[in-house]
Amino acid sequence: EVQLVESGGGLVQPGRSLRLSCAASGFTFHDYAMDWVRQAPGKGLEWVSGISWNSGSIGYADSVKGRFTISRDNAKNSLYLQMNSLRVEDTALYYCAKVSPRGKEFDMWGQGTMVTVSS
Amino acid sequence: AIQLTQSPSSLSASVGDRVTITCRASQGFSSALAWYQQKPGKAPNLLIYDASSLESGVPSRFSGSGSGTDFTLTISSLQPEDFATYFCQQFNNYPHELTFGGGTKVEIK
Repeated sequence: EVQLVESGGGLVQPGRSLRLSCAASGFTFHDYAMDWVRQAPGKGLEWVSGISWNSGSIGYADSVKGRFTISRDNAKNSLYLQMNSLRVEDTALYYCAKVSPRGKEFDMWGQGTMVTVSS
Repeated sequence: AIQLTQSPSSLSASVGDRVTITCRASQGFSSALAWYQQKPGKAPNLLIYDASSLESGVPSRFSGSGSGTDFTLTISSLQPEDFATYFCQQFNNYPHELTFGGGTKVEIK
């Protein structure tokens, strides 16, 4: 079955860290760029970070730059997001998304993992 | 960074109506604009890519058009399953810049 499954979310205090994981299956993971997209409760979609198929090209939204680190392990078909210095405004549902072969949009999404930053 | 402004932010429509949603960019870019549908509690689903190309499996009542700074998603005859929130998304200089519009919620009149 073709799917993306996120994990690692939870409740964390401001200033602490959390590491999200995304397990991919059913497609050739190492062929595709992957991204993280988040959605605060009741709000719209916000792109967080993206990584090329070979980790050679990485990008971050300004809101997370310097605090979040994206990585992937193609041998394990897994995508990661290390989140440091978490802020209340980072509270959101974090989606893992597969970039299409065209390289410009997302053709597969996980179900999301919820991150709540609160004291 | 390019900003995408969707209008309207919400609309009420009836089954069978023709619905048009607009996405305006703060500056011109390539035709790499996509549209997604998101239903409550679900992940977004790709509808349109490259501004006007229909993703496989998406009903033909959905169509996209536009270029430069102005893009449109049209639902030719609204069906009950189309009540959802729609987002536009642009790619430019990936992976360094990717933006979503604020969303348009389509509700039942």
